[in-house]
Amino acid sequence: DAKTTQPPSMDCAEGRAANLPCNHSTISGNEYVYWYRQIHSQGPQYIIHGLKNNETNEMASLIITEDRKSSTLILPHATLRDTAVYYCIALPSVNTGTASKLTFGTGTRLQVTL
Amino acid sequence: DAGVTQSPTHLIKTRGQQVTLRCSPKSGHDTVSWYQQALGQGPQFIFQYYEEEERQRGNFPDRFSGHQFPNYSSELNVNALLLGDSALYLCASSLLYEQYFGPGTRLTVT
Repeated sequence: DAKTTQPPSMDCAEGRAANLPCNHSTISGNEYVYWYRQIHSQGPQYIIHGLKNNETNEMASLIITEDRKSSTLILPHATLRDTAVYYCIALPSVNTGTASKLTFGTGTRLQVTL
Repeated sequence: DAGVTQSPTHLIKTRGQQVTLRCSPKSGHDTVSWYQQALGQGPQFIFQYYEEEERQRGNFPDRFSGHQFPNYSSELNVNALLLGDSALYLCASSLLYEQYFGPGTRLTVT
């Protein structure tokens, strides 16, 4: 699995967009970019994933650069409840039909403030 | 629909003892993975079970073993506990590609 690099911490004011970057310069063509987050004292929670097109769901948007070497997770209107550690993970294609092991780094600790 | 459940919530053991942690997957999920999360670190993959067989294994010693039952629930066993085994143990269940995590079991080894 490709290695990912994220800043250790970020701050964001409540109501503003939180943009969390991830570098995955060695990602291969069949690897998806996944984002999970972990709120304090809870298990990680799936947010979104994508291959090369931008993706959006009810939680967030994922912007992947054309060369696929980096991506940005966007929380459009951050709230205090979005304070968590966010993990960016590169995973092989979902078309295997099986769940791959997740290789977590240390992630980005996002602090949303009033 | 209940999510992933784990028991117990907290556990305190002494060095050298053995421990068993339990996980019930989300309804309809047939794959269970276990992770260890030390304080301040991201979760580390221990192993994954599918159809009652260990399918993948991370870099953990043989002291860590597991089992999956016909109803897809799973157990994680750790023998000869070390102080370094103190961590949050997370169970995740999945059907295809998305993994759903339980709240974890906090194990303290003294």
